[in-house]
Amino acid sequence: GAGVSQSPSNKVTEKGKDVELRCDPISGHTALYWYRQSLGQGLEFLIYFQGNSAPDKSGLPSDRFSAERTGGSVSTLTIQRTQQEDSAVYLCASSPTGEPQHFGDGTRLSIL
Amino acid sequence: GQQLNQSPQSMFIQEGEDVSMNCTSSSIFNTWLWYKQDPGEGPVLLIALYKAGELTSNGRLTAQFGITRKDSFLNISASIPSDVGIYFCAGRSFGNEKLTFGTGTRLTIIP
Repeated sequence: GAGVSQSPSNKVTEKGKDVELRCDPISGHTALYWYRQSLGQGLEFLIYFQGNSAPDKSGLPSDRFSAERTGGSVSTLTIQRTQQEDSAVYLCASSPTGEPQHFGDGTRLSIL
Repeated sequence: GQQLNQSPQSMFIQEGEDVSMNCTSSSIFNTWLWYKQDPGEGPVLLIALYKAGELTSNGRLTAQFGITRKDSFLNISASIPSDVGIYFCAGRSFGNEKLTFGTGTRLTIIP
């Protein structure tokens, strides 16, 4: 499709396991963002990629969280040694530089 | 850091009523955005505002960029069932690509 694609749509895992979440941005969008949305809350910024520049990681809550963007397109958000408080919906967005962000439908992560 | 206060947190209205919600910021933004989120989906952009004082409409929706650059409001006229959902404001400051989001306004239409 033409929109931002995220996978998996749902992920259930045990506490202590590592998880990888994937985002396929809209083709041609140079900027890619990750947000976290806890139940009933607004969106919390995690990390931002712009072209080949160093990413803005200022929103990552701990060193268990990391993200990469390969070839300026697909991005993977990795959470190591998951904790129950990591349970949330993880949303990816992309945009042309300076333009409003377009969101995927998110990955709902549940840590047992 | 920047904080966005969005109000009201929830609204219960009857079909056909007008709706108004607003966001205020502790600091200045140069862009205000309004998004709507349906259950199980990502936020969808409704209106983007780029200039202080700007008033922009999208169908039954009207949004304004406050003159102080620290607030914005969204109005929905003649609400219909598909308006149900959570509305988020988001702001972006100059030179900063990341968005700061409000906590959302949940709109429910009472039969």
